[in-house]
Amino acid sequence: QITLTQQAESLWISPGERVSITCRASQSLLYTDGKHYLSWYQQRPGQTTKALIYHASVRTDGVPTRFIGSGSGTEFTLSIEHVQPEDFAIYYCLQTLKSPYTFGAGTKLELK
Amino acid sequence: EVQLVESGGGLVQPGRSLKLSCLASGFTFSNYGMNWIRQAPGKGLEWVASISSSSSYIYYADTVKGRFTISRDNAKNTLYLQMTSLRSEDTALYYCARHRYLTGHYFDYWGQGVMVTVSS
Repeated sequence: QITLTQQAESLWISPGERVSITCRASQSLLYTDGKHYLSWYQQRPGQTTKALIYHASVRTDGVPTRFIGSGSGTEFTLSIEHVQPEDFAIYYCLQTLKSPYTFGAGTKLELK
Repeated sequence: EVQLVESGGGLVQPGRSLKLSCLASGFTFSNYGMNWIRQAPGKGLEWVASISSSSSYIYYADTVKGRFTISRDNAKNTLYLQMTSLRSEDTALYYCARHRYLTGHYFDYWGQGVMVTVSS
């Protein structure tokens, strides 16, 4: 199965800063259609899990432009520019290239 | 408005069975694949099972294969997860999520989750 590694369990930042969360896959997530089957999700207490990014870099409807997905092959990054108070949450990457689908372990953004 | 509402959770003894439901509304259920994902207390997300729109394709995580069965009733807009031979390690919050295949191949809407506790 494909393993996704999110190295940072927690990242301590202050509002207004920029932060990057990385996700490394054990094999390329590039499909024959030229797209990467890697998506990013946000979990906040009391709210449903929210999809932020799909195909590594495409924002879902309504997601603020401060959320930026990048990367290719096996290395992917979710960056948040000018972090807002509501961005302190847990972020997961997910690969849907091959079953079993797998999530990264999650990265928690914490207030410095 | 897309809504996914899980039900059927509770406290169950090891080795027993439980069936979860996910009632969908606000979209044409029969056009979308669906998934179950779980989250043990204080842990991360774990994908459990996936079913295509017409039930033609079904996949399971190795941890539940042979014990759990995903199914759907498109006439009732409902997704199911039949869980048998439950173990303590199956204790988790279980979410259903819609699978957007054609654009993005990701899980675009999630439910609030239903708790399953396996304990004697």
